[in-house]
Amino acid sequence: RKEVEQDPGPFNVPEGATVAFNCTYSNSASQSFFWYRQDCRKEPKLLMSVYSSGNEDGRFTAQLNRASQYISLLIRDSKLSDSATYLCASNTGGFKTIFGAGTRLFVKA
Amino acid sequence: NAGVTQTPKFRVLKTGQSMTLLCAQDMNHEYMYWYRQDPGMGLRLIHYSVGEGTTAKGEVPDGYNVSRLKKQNFLLGLESAAPSQTSVYFCASSSELAGENSYEQYFGPGTRLTVT
Repeated sequence: RKEVEQDPGPFNVPEGATVAFNCTYSNSASQSFFWYRQDCRKEPKLLMSVYSSGNEDGRFTAQLNRASQYISLLIRDSKLSDSATYLCASNTGGFKTIFGAGTRLFVKA
Repeated sequence: NAGVTQTPKFRVLKTGQSMTLLCAQDMNHEYMYWYRQDPGMGLRLIHYSVGEGTTAKGEVPDGYNVSRLKKQNFLLGLESAAPSQTSVYFCASSSELAGENSYEQYFGPGTRLTVT
C-alpha cells in the first residue's frame, strides 16, 4: 500500500461547480500535510498547508481527518484556470515528505 | 528573487554518458532535495541534504550521486546514464517554519532528461 494515495481522476467538472478530492495517508505519525498544484509540464507549486484540523484560502478549503487518516481539498466556484493536477503530501516531522501521485482536474466551460 | 532554479531544462543522453544537473536557491534554505517524477508514480525522493556539506539517500538513490559544497547549490550527478533514468527531475528546497514542525517545499522548474 502506498503511504499517500489519491484518486488519479480525471475529475471533469463544469465552471462554477464545487469539487472535492480526498487523499489518504497510512503513517499515523504524519504531522503536516500539503496540497500542491501542478500544471502540465511545470513544477509543483504549494497551494495550501494543513497543520491542524484544516485551512481555508479563498475558494479553497483543506480539511484533515486524523481518525480516518485522510485530508480533503474542496474547490468552490471552479474556474477554467483551476484545471491542473493536485498533489497531496504528508510529512512526519522530519525531512522526508511523501507525495501522492496526484489527481487530475479538468474544468470545462 | 529567483527562488529555485535548475539547469539544464532539457537534455538527451546516450546510455553510458554522464551528466550533472545543477540546482540553485536564493532563499537561504537549509534543506534541499532531488526528486524524479514518472507517470503514475508521483514524486520520488532521490537524495536530500540537510545543510552545506551533508547529503543523504532517499527512496531511489541508485545510479545517482549528489554534492552540496555551497548552501545555495545542490548538484545531482548521473555517472553512467541508463534508459530507466529517463524522467523529469525536480529540485526543491525548504526551511523549517518557525513554530511549526513542518517543511514546506519549493520546487524548481524541472529538467526533462531522456536517455536513449
